[in-house]
Amino acid sequence: EVQLVESGGVVVQPGGSLRLSCAASGFTFADYSMNWVRQAPGKGLEWVSFINWDGDSTYSADSVKGRFTISRDNSRDSLYLQMNSLRAEDTALYFCTKDQFRYSTSWYKGLADAFDIWGQGTMVTVSS
Amino acid sequence: IQLTQSPSSLSASVGDRVTITCRASQGISSHLAWYQQKPGKAPKLLIYAASTLQSGVPSRFSGSGSGTDFTLTISSLQPEDFATYYCQQLNRYPLTFGGGTKVEIK
Repeated sequence: EVQLVESGGVVVQPGGSLRLSCAASGFTFADYSMNWVRQAPGKGLEWVSFINWDGDSTYSADSVKGRFTISRDNSRDSLYLQMNSLRAEDTALYFCTKDQFRYSTSWYKGLADAFDIWGQGTMVTVSS
Repeated sequence: IQLTQSPSSLSASVGDRVTITCRASQGISSHLAWYQQKPGKAPKLLIYAASTLQSGVPSRFSGSGSGTDFTLTISSLQPEDFATYYCQQLNRYPLTFGGGTKVEIK
């Protein structure tokens, strides 16, 4: 079964740091680009960050640029999100997602593929 | 690129035909996806490339449009379709989602 399982969400103080993890199984992780998407309580979806399948290209939302870093370890089938300088507005459920197509080069043309697999999410709360 | 969904919510009955629209602030060709999200669950991909049905999604769902105007249609609403629906543009980074359309039971 294709599965993504996020972890690492906790309550953290403003200004603090946190690293989220996403463990992939049931597919060849190294063949697919991945993303993080978040959802504040009672709100809509917000794309956060993208990383291509071999990890050498990333994109991030302006709201997190310079504070969050996406990375991956293909030997561990894992995706990460390093979150620094956290703010109250970063409070959200964070999902990791898998891109649809294997070895896609859409990102090279500035395009993206749809997200066909989502994890269940991990909750990050930024509060003093 | 901003995506504006309408309506933000609607009430419908089982068997009704439901149409949700998504308007992009600039042309995005056919680089649009639709997702369904039920309470407490992760979103599920329904349609990509504006009109291509994702594998396993019932054929009562369909998508159309290109450029700036897109629609998601549910031809005959079923009890399991009551959920929130989001469009997403895949044409340019940063990727963006519409604000969502909540489909409720009348």
